[in-house]
Amino acid sequence: GENVEQHPSTLSVQEGDSAVIKCTYSDSASNYFPWYKQELGKGPQLIIDIRSNVGEKKDQRIAVTLNKTAKHFSLHITETQPEDSAVYFCAASPSTGFQKLVFGTGTRLLVSP
Amino acid sequence: DAGITQSPRHKVTETGTPVTLRCHQTENHRYMYWYRQDPGHGLRLIHYSYGVKDTDKGEVSDGYSVSRSKTEDFLLTLESATSSQTSVYFCAISRGQGDSPLHFGNGTRLTVT
Repeated sequence: GENVEQHPSTLSVQEGDSAVIKCTYSDSASNYFPWYKQELGKGPQLIIDIRSNVGEKKDQRIAVTLNKTAKHFSLHITETQPEDSAVYFCAASPSTGFQKLVFGTGTRLLVSP
Repeated sequence: DAGITQSPRHKVTETGTPVTLRCHQTENHRYMYWYRQDPGHGLRLIHYSYGVKDTDKGEVSDGYSVSRSKTEDFLLTLESATSSQTSVYFCAISRGQGDSPLHFGNGTRLTVT
């Protein structure tokens, strides 16, 4: 089955810096890769996703890149702000058939003012 | 939070007692899921439902059962709680399968003493 590894487990940056979180996956059949943000005491919330027919996707300060050959995808946050502080999860699943998302272990991002 | 209510939000119970967690949605989504979240493991799928009375096992289903008698309600039961089931439990819903986004509730923190 699918296995998703996520690095780093914690990331501290200064406000205004960029942050990059990386994930690798094992199942070449996976072709849907969402990213979730989880704030303290709340459930994860989808912030961006990418499908395997796309190499990069951007939404304001957030971007995700996908390298299917190497089986890795990354989340890029530019101009970080204190409100970006949260735990971020990557996930992977095949986009056909029943969705069985496999999540990474999470990255705690701390943005210091 | 996409019209998802989990109850209770917190529960402390003793080893060997039965426990039922409830997930209620107002979105009329067909698919519902139960995940558990533990440090170092990310989110792992326990059970899921693809319709009323239609359920199946996920990655970590041992010791858990589910029921869905109405579209809006998905119940997770621990028949005889163990300390290893101390965790935060999240319900999620999706409109479709495959690459349809998951929407999560705010979780139930369960402690088994």
